[in-house]
Amino acid sequence: QKEVEQNSGPLSVPEGAIASLNCTYSDRVSQSFFWYRQYSGKSPELIMSIYSNGDKEDGRFTAQLNKASQYVSLLIRDSQPSDSATYLCAVNFRGSTLGRLYFGRGTQLTVWP
Amino acid sequence: DGGITQSPKYLFRKEGQNVTLSCEQNLNHDAMYWYRQDPGQGLRLIYYSQIVNDFQKGDIAEGYSVSREKKESFPLTVTSAQKNPTAFYLCASKGTGSKPLEAFFGQGTRLTVV
Repeated sequence: QKEVEQNSGPLSVPEGAIASLNCTYSDRVSQSFFWYRQYSGKSPELIMSIYSNGDKEDGRFTAQLNKASQYVSLLIRDSQPSDSATYLCAVNFRGSTLGRLYFGRGTQLTVWP
Repeated sequence: DGGITQSPKYLFRKEGQNVTLSCEQNLNHDAMYWYRQDPGQGLRLIYYSQIVNDFQKGDIAEGYSVSREKKESFPLTVTSAQKNPTAFYLCASKGTGSKPLEAFFGQGTRLTVV
């Protein structure tokens, strides 16, 4: 059973703080990992991809992957009200038919001024 | 500009009607996907396809049909057999093999039964 789990939140942080979003997945042998941001009523937008253990930084975003512990996280530094959205974790499990992605239910983040 | 275009943005369906949602991409992606999203829910996979004239059922295919006659196009038909079609429908595409594995989404179609 391939599963991707996220804390649905809501997660609320003040402006300027670090927001930490976590995701766990069921299959140790997984290939690639993605974070999407979805504003209310809009489609998901890819913000980070990570393929190997460790950290990957892009601006205020840092993705962290630990395959041994089967978790991937997203840190948002200096959080802004415009970061308020639902964040979806997606995993491409090794051997998945046609490379399909499995999504978590998303974590709702609110950044208050 | 390369991207994925879904149309229409909003669609209203009467009971017993079939409706077709359009999805076109010019990213030269092989794989295309249809997801359904209900309020407060994650994305659930309806159908997916990697090559022309081939597609596979996802987790909730009942009441839906698709075709893949061209690489660029992957339309979804919501049939009258789908008992609860009101939802946000998302089309996505991604590269395969050695190509980048990121999936990108269209802007979505919001379907409402009236």
